[in-house]
Amino acid sequence: AQSVTQLGSHVSVSEGALVLLRCNYSSSVPPYLFWYVQYPNQGLQLLLKYTSAATLVKGINGFEAEFKKSETSFHLTKPSAHMSDAAEYFCAVSGGGDTGRRALTFGSGTRLQVQP
Amino acid sequence: EPEVTQTPSHQVTQMGQEVILRCVPISNHLYFYWYRQILGQKVEFLVSFYNNEISEKSEIFDDQFSVERPDGSNFTLKIRSTKLEDSAMYFCASSTGQGRETQYFGPGTRLLVL
Repeated sequence: AQSVTQLGSHVSVSEGALVLLRCNYSSSVPPYLFWYVQYPNQGLQLLLKYTSAATLVKGINGFEAEFKKSETSFHLTKPSAHMSDAAEYFCAVSGGGDTGRRALTFGSGTRLQVQP
Repeated sequence: EPEVTQTPSHQVTQMGQEVILRCVPISNHLYFYWYRQILGQKVEFLVSFYNNEISEKSEIFDDQFSVERPDGSNFTLKIRSTKLEDSAMYFCASSTGQGRETQYFGPGTRLLVL
């Protein structure tokens, strides 16, 4: 079974400050890990994904995440927050196509607020 | 850029009624999915569909749910007899089914059961 834990349902940062959104996972197979962003009244947009290549993954809008197997973590960071980053962020895990298990298991989400 | 589309964007129905939610996946994708998000809760997997049959389903996807690809472009989710607790945002997604794939999500259909 797979699961995802996102620490902090709400995170508030000042514009220009570091963004750190935490994600820990549990998986019985080598995981595929994803971060999705959801803007108000919109669908889920992929930010970045880890699929067993480089452990440091760069995504869109200046976000990146580092896969740490020893810590079972995949935290999302951005060096400098922008007002437009305010949204809900979801970490997700799947077993990947090789396992035949493509279903994504999502975390509870973290709502990011950016203060001017 | 190709995208997944869903109709309607909002649907209100009475308890016990049947609803059909429609999705048009990205044209060269082979896997199709439905997820739901009850207000204030996490996104939950319902079902995946490949080669005209269900490939995975969750415990949520019981006998009141069904999926179909009625033609070469649409992918539908039918709820036979809606319950109050079916009120949620329903997301369709699609993927190529190849390699280190990404699931691309549609904008969702907000279903309200009264």
